[in-house]
Amino acid sequence: AQKITQTQPGMFVQEKEAVTLDCTYDTSDPSYGLFWYKQPSSGEMIFLIYQGSYDQQNATEGRYSLNFQKARKSANLVISASQLGDSAMYFCAMREGRSGGGADGLTFGKGTHLIIQP
Amino acid sequence: DSGVTQTPKHLITATGQRVTLRCSPRSGDLSVYWYQQSLDQGLQFLIQYYNGEERAKGNILERFSAQQFPDLHSELNLSSLELGDSALYFCASSPGSGIGYTFGSGTRLTVV
Repeated sequence: AQKITQTQPGMFVQEKEAVTLDCTYDTSDPSYGLFWYKQPSSGEMIFLIYQGSYDQQNATEGRYSLNFQKARKSANLVISASQLGDSAMYFCAMREGRSGGGADGLTFGKGTHLIIQP
Repeated sequence: DSGVTQTPKHLITATGQRVTLRCSPRSGDLSVYWYQQSLDQGLQFLIQYYNGEERAKGNILERFSAQQFPDLHSELNLSSLELGDSALYFCASSPGSGIGYTFGSGTRLTVV
């Protein structure tokens, strides 16, 4: 079974509209972290936002917010007021278990290709 | 510049050959991770080292190996290369907090 599922292979959105990118995850570990990364056409992986499993509030970073619904195992990324520069691949990822020198590699979803149209 | 340095940026080699990819982690980070990104498999975790010791193995082939040196830089060795090994190989580093993962710009490997 996939641990990270991103159901939207591609999305077209008008500039200045808000965008929600879906991500569901599967883990039995009570301690985990959820991440969103942006990969523009140049190829680098850019960290956007992080949500810990014990965090009480949804994470926000500028125009990015994470809609964390723990019971539904959902961690959707919301981009407000989209811009042309937001066009890129977006990946949801999960770290299972506690860190601190332990095994904590990330498991990635297959990504969503977001295209912002003027 | 993310602080994680990967060399070379591009590599073209023939089937059956062996290559070494190099990664210098961000200053102070003890963990190094290797990932492979291909069209077929997406982004896959290969292996993790923490302060010189192997911590976790993901979907790493037996033809691939890695190590982390005392100065914390890491090398990923790929041998008996096949066409299907063509991919973008990322190195990431982390201080071990489980929160801050910084990716390098990747090495694009093309096997012909």
